[in-house]
Amino acid sequence: DTAVSQTPKYLVTQMGNDKSIKCEQNLGHDTMYWYKQDSKKFLKIMFSYNNKELIINETVPNRFSPKSPDKAHLNLHINSLELGDSAVYFCASSQVKAGELFFGEGSRLTVL
Amino acid sequence: AQSVAQPEDQVNVAEGNPLTVKCTYSVSGNPYLFWYVQYPNRGLQFLLKYITGDNLVKGSYGFEAEFNKSQTSFHLKKPSALVSDSALYFCAVRPSALNTGFQKLVFGTGTRLLVSP
Repeated sequence: DTAVSQTPKYLVTQMGNDKSIKCEQNLGHDTMYWYKQDSKKFLKIMFSYNNKELIINETVPNRFSPKSPDKAHLNLHINSLELGDSAVYFCASSQVKAGELFFGEGSRLTVL
Repeated sequence: AQSVAQPEDQVNVAEGNPLTVKCTYSVSGNPYLFWYVQYPNRGLQFLLKYITGDNLVKGSYGFEAEFNKSQTSFHLKKPSALVSDSALYFCAVRPSALNTGFQKLVFGTGTRLLVSP
């Protein structure tokens, strides 16, 4: 059983296009996250939602828009893709008091 | 703001030898500390955490970590390394104070562990 699943696993697209990544968790957690891992493997938080409410919004361009239709889903939409958006995007979930995050397998975005 | 330092980009160890991957942290108040492992083209997997209590924490795959408050460190250790332990290891920290609301987990820059046969 997949705990945190992301789709698609790979995206290859042209600059200027719009793309979405979907994430679902079946752990019953109340908090979900998007992290970005760059080519040097640095991990940086982008957004976090708790029970569908945005609670963490780091300094991320407005072209990135998260949406949480319910507490088991957190999607990421990216407009007007740029070369610098190429990275692996990880979805994660947690119970806020426990602290540890459970990660999906990642979605590798390549912008040409 | 909290931060994590992993001073070694890479640690090399021979199979069967003990390994240590270093981590130091900075956080206001008491920390929640975590170790994660990432295998190539995979997501991060939770290894262990320190919340409170015994300073020596045991986790998955025979790994353990020692919390040292005076040195603000949380080094990952294993008594006998396996070739299959070769991976990227991340230390992470967040404040424990719940009255400060939701706190983000901040990751270190990662340490690549290479275990040679």
